[in-house]
Amino acid sequence: QVLLVESGGGVVQPGRSLRLSCEASGFTFSSYGMHWVRQAPGKGLEWVAVVSDDGTYKYYADSVQGRFTISKDISKNKLYLQMNSLRAEDTAVYYCAKVGEYCTATTCYTPFDDWGQGTLVTVSS
Amino acid sequence: DIQMTQSPSSLSASVGDRVIITCRASQNIDNYLSWYQQKPGKAPSLLIYAGSSLRSGVPSRFSGSGSGTDFTLTISGLQPEDFATYYCQQSYNPYTFGQGTKLEIK
Repeated sequence: QVLLVESGGGVVQPGRSLRLSCEASGFTFSSYGMHWVRQAPGKGLEWVAVVSDDGTYKYYADSVQGRFTISKDISKNKLYLQMNSLRAEDTAVYYCAKVGEYCTATTCYTPFDDWGQGTLVTVSS
Repeated sequence: DIQMTQSPSSLSASVGDRVIITCRASQNIDNYLSWYQQKPGKAPSLLIYAGSSLRSGVPSRFSGSGSGTDFTLTISGLQPEDFATYYCQQSYNPYTFGQGTKLEIK
């Protein structure tokens, strides 16, 4: 079955950097896009970034554009989120999620169909 | 950006009840709408995609409907394990979640 395990969270000072990892297993990693989604303490879900199956297409939420970089290493079955210039408002649990593919004859739908357990990032001085 | 508005924000119900959660998009999203369940301290899990398609393994008491801008999630015959927070999410352009609906035991 699909297993996604995040790591790399911790406490970091404002303005510093952190890299999150998500190790994937149970599916062909090179065939699926991947997302990062975050959830601030006591708040709702916020989509952060997506990368395509082959790692070439990347798209970001406005709130992290220019500061965060999503990437995937297909040889290692790992997804990454490089987070630079961190701010207090980046404090959250960060989840990786697999792009699902559910297709009819005419349309494909891509919900977030499997999620990791999350890793907590706290930005504080 | 497309905004997703859920109502109510919280809801109290009893085991066996039928509950309906609504989700409204700020513009047309066809049926690119999914529903997720999240229990405290856990990751979200996918319930429904394409507005009304039940993910394999999800109990049939969950159902979704709608298209365009207005959508609903219905839970018929609440079970104790259904008390959780529910989120809608659009994947039309690019991705936005609703603010969540917390379903509590009455």
